[in-house]
Amino acid sequence: AQTVTQSQPEMSVQEAETVTLSCTYDTSESNYYLFWYKQPPSRQMILVIRQEAYKQQNATENRFSVNFQKAAKSFSLKISDSQLGDTAMYFCAFGPDSNYQLIWGAGTKLIIKP
Amino acid sequence: GAVVSQHPSRVICKSGTSVKIECRSLDFQATTMFWYRQFPKKSLMLMATSNEGSKATYEQGVEKDKFLINHASLTLSTLTVTSAHPEDSSFYICSARAPPGTGGGETQYFGPGTRLLVL
Repeated sequence: AQTVTQSQPEMSVQEAETVTLSCTYDTSESNYYLFWYKQPPSRQMILVIRQEAYKQQNATENRFSVNFQKAAKSFSLKISDSQLGDTAMYFCAFGPDSNYQLIWGAGTKLIIKP
Repeated sequence: GAVVSQHPSRVICKSGTSVKIECRSLDFQATTMFWYRQFPKKSLMLMATSNEGSKATYEQGVEKDKFLINHASLTLSTLTVTSAHPEDSSFYICSARAPPGTGGGETQYFGPGTRLLVL
């Protein structure tokens, strides 16, 4: 079975610090996609960043970057210069190429303190 | 781009009534949409996959006669909760799969969600 594990239920950092959220997954698929979504208190799910498994280069989106380790099946999210608006639940998701469904981690609650 | 709307944002209804929730992709055509349910402080639980022009595929344990899904066009999917009961109270979220060839891969874009309260 394909699974996604986020081992940090909650994290808290000071504004402007860098924080890394961890995500591991288990699959036998060779081609897939990985995502980080953010859910702020408004509960709107927002795509933060996506990674295609066949690309070795780590994806980056402004202050957000990933460390994708395919062999280790690890997909961590690094947030640099954290801002108060980054406070949210962050979900890691795995999307196999064989179907269109996403498999979700349990989420990490990130609190940015002023 | 890739905006998904959902209506209504919140609804309160009496037990036994039916509630319809609409999910629209505003600036792209979505052949596949998804319906999720989210309990407080929990992750998303996939209820069903909705494909335009065909019957929805429901996940195990989801009552298809209770949660009716219709995907009549490339921009609209609806979820109808029939004979709603208090245990159906929850946050329901729809998403739409990015079209092939847009560079979005298998990305899903989400609506803002609907909070359903059944009294």
